[in-house]
Amino acid sequence: DAKTTQPTSMDCAEGRAANLPCNHSTISGNEYVYWYRQIHSQGPQYIIHGLKNNETNEMASLIITEDRKSSTLILPHATLRDTAVYYCIVRIGSGNTGKLIFGQGTTLQVKP
Amino acid sequence: GAVVSQHPSWVICKSGTSVKIECRSLDFQATTMFWYRQFPKQSLMLMATSNEGSKATYEQGVEKDKFLINHASLTLSTLTVTSAHPEDSSFYICSARIQSAYYGYTFGSGTRLTVV
Repeated sequence: DAKTTQPTSMDCAEGRAANLPCNHSTISGNEYVYWYRQIHSQGPQYIIHGLKNNETNEMASLIITEDRKSSTLILPHATLRDTAVYYCIVRIGSGNTGKLIFGQGTTLQVKP
Repeated sequence: GAVVSQHPSWVICKSGTSVKIECRSLDFQATTMFWYRQFPKQSLMLMATSNEGSKATYEQGVEKDKFLINHASLTLSTLTVTSAHPEDSSFYICSARIQSAYYGYTFGSGTRLTVV
């Protein structure tokens, strides 16, 4: 099963872009990368996911390297409300059998 | 869309009693749901995969007789913590797989269980 490695914590200035890296060097060709975040004592919130192409939505951008061994989540203009634990997850299994196994995540602190 | 409602949001129970936690998909049908638990300052740990109409699949090390899972309909899965002990105190979170073109996963808001 592909594991992910993320820095334990990061700081970011309010209004600046937050770039959160993730290593997943053992990822298989058909495994998706998902990003979720969790604000204290709440359920995880979906951010974005991708397979091999870069993805963008209203919350963030996901940049996946060509060899798919790492990715970066970009929050373009971080706000104080973006302070949370960010999880990079490689989905285990595919389709109907897929499941999400969480790693330790990165605690992002957005500072004024 | 794709909202999962979890109830109760918090519960306190006495040692030795059982507690049931409900997870409902409000606007979609969920053939597969997942149960996680999270201890303070730790990540989410997958406990089991709940499949509608069949037995749940438990992760290694999770006691199936202690954590009873029932998924009797396409919108409801329940987790019952039997004979609860203080060490079962934790944050329990359910998730449902959304069967769309890309198989997303949506999470409930969690249940804080305190066993006294």
